[in-house]
Amino acid sequence: GQQLNQSPQSMFIQEGEDVSMNCTSSSIFNTWLWYKQDPGEGPVLLIALYKAGELTSNGRLTAQFGITRKDSFLNISASIPSDVGIYFCAGLRVGTYKYIFGTGTRLKVLA
Amino acid sequence: NAGVTQTPKFQVLKTGQSMTLQCAQDMNHNSMYWYRQDPGMGLRLIYYSASEGTTDKGEVPNGYNVSRLNKREFSLRLESAAPSQTSVYFCASSAQGQANTGELFFGEGSRLTVL
Repeated sequence: GQQLNQSPQSMFIQEGEDVSMNCTSSSIFNTWLWYKQDPGEGPVLLIALYKAGELTSNGRLTAQFGITRKDSFLNISASIPSDVGIYFCAGLRVGTYKYIFGTGTRLKVLA
Repeated sequence: NAGVTQTPKFQVLKTGQSMTLQCAQDMNHNSMYWYRQDPGMGLRLIYYSASEGTTDKGEVPNGYNVSRLNKREFSLRLESAAPSQTSVYFCASSAQGQANTGELFFGEGSRLTVL
């Protein structure tokens, strides 16, 4: 099935560093969602975006809805060890019920 | 503050056995979903229910059936389990189509092993 292109696939960073990841699609979406999934747990919704150009923050996390509506970005500032996990995006086209998911970014934070 | 609740959390079946995964949400959402998650495959949609009384096939429906029992509950049934159905199953719900908010909320998952 269709998946969104998400990059990077994985990253190792030092505690305190900032992190950036993005998702791209060939289709236009009207909703972008960002999730974090810890091992053995369900995905937890971090941020939801509904308008092109929208910039939304949730604590140290900031996400943006791309102007073209075909991409989205997630930034994590001043990373801490508990940021470890898999982050993935999801997109939804207007008038549909099927979400399309990104391939995931595995984040590891070195203390 | 329950959100989406799935049961059971763990299950081991023998090939050919049947079982039902239960899901309930307390957010008054219209839309509910069943996904499976396998290593390297991401989340794949099995079935969804856009509203009470309707169900539709997703990407990988073969070997599964669903029932939207009422607005709160959406169950997934394996009639004759196969080893290929070993996976982690997630139920999710959304207000999509109701309030035009696309937020999708997941349960904690049900880990199924078929021997």
